[in-house]
Amino acid sequence: QVQLVQSGAEVKKPGASVKVSCKASGYTFTGYYMHWVRQAPGQGLEWMGWINPNSGGTNYAQKFQGWVTMTRDTSISTAYMELSRLRSDDTAVYYCARGRMITFGGVIEQDFDYWGQGTLVTVSS
Amino acid sequence: QSVLTQPPSASGTPGQRVTISCSGSSSNIGSNTVNWYQQLPGTAPKLLIYSNNQRPSGVPDRFSGSKSGTSASLAISGLQSEDEADYYCAAWDDSHWVFGGGTKLTVL
Repeated sequence: QVQLVQSGAEVKKPGASVKVSCKASGYTFTGYYMHWVRQAPGQGLEWMGWINPNSGGTNYAQKFQGWVTMTRDTSISTAYMELSRLRSDDTAVYYCARGRMITFGGVIEQDFDYWGQGTLVTVSS
Repeated sequence: QSVLTQPPSASGTPGQRVTISCSGSSSNIGSNTVNWYQQLPGTAPKLLIYSNNQRPSGVPDRFSGSKSGTSASLAISGLQSEDEADYYCAAWDDSHWVFGGGTKLTVL
């Protein structure tokens, strides 16, 4: 069965960086994009970007361009999200989510069909 | 401020039918399909509806989705206590994904 298992909670100081991992199993890792979504405490979902594990190509939300880096290691079916120059308002649960593409009615459509369990990143001095 | 607009809360009694709206624009809902996610307390989101009105395997047919123009709706019929959760709509918008702010559903 498809599983996305993320790394454990992190506590970081402002200005530091954090790298969260997402290990995939139960499917061909290079066959699906991996997305990253975050959720601040008591808030909604915010899309950060995706990585194509096959090519390594990325697409970051404009807000995160210049301070997020998404990478992957295909040998261990793991995707990474690194956020730099952390601020207190980066405190959030960070999720990885598998991006599924399906052809429906002749059109390619997308959704996030499997999610990791989430990684809490706390930024505090 | 979320790009897609949802009511912050909704409620109903067991057995009732509840609808949750999601309003967008021509660049997102008006041009692309809508997905809905259910987030039970303390858990990761789960895909509930995709391609406007399709249910993944395992999702009860009490859940249904629809879209018209730049708005979409999620309907839950035969409301059950385990439906108490946060619900989010999402759509592709030009070159990025956007979410609604979420609707907290309370089963009274």
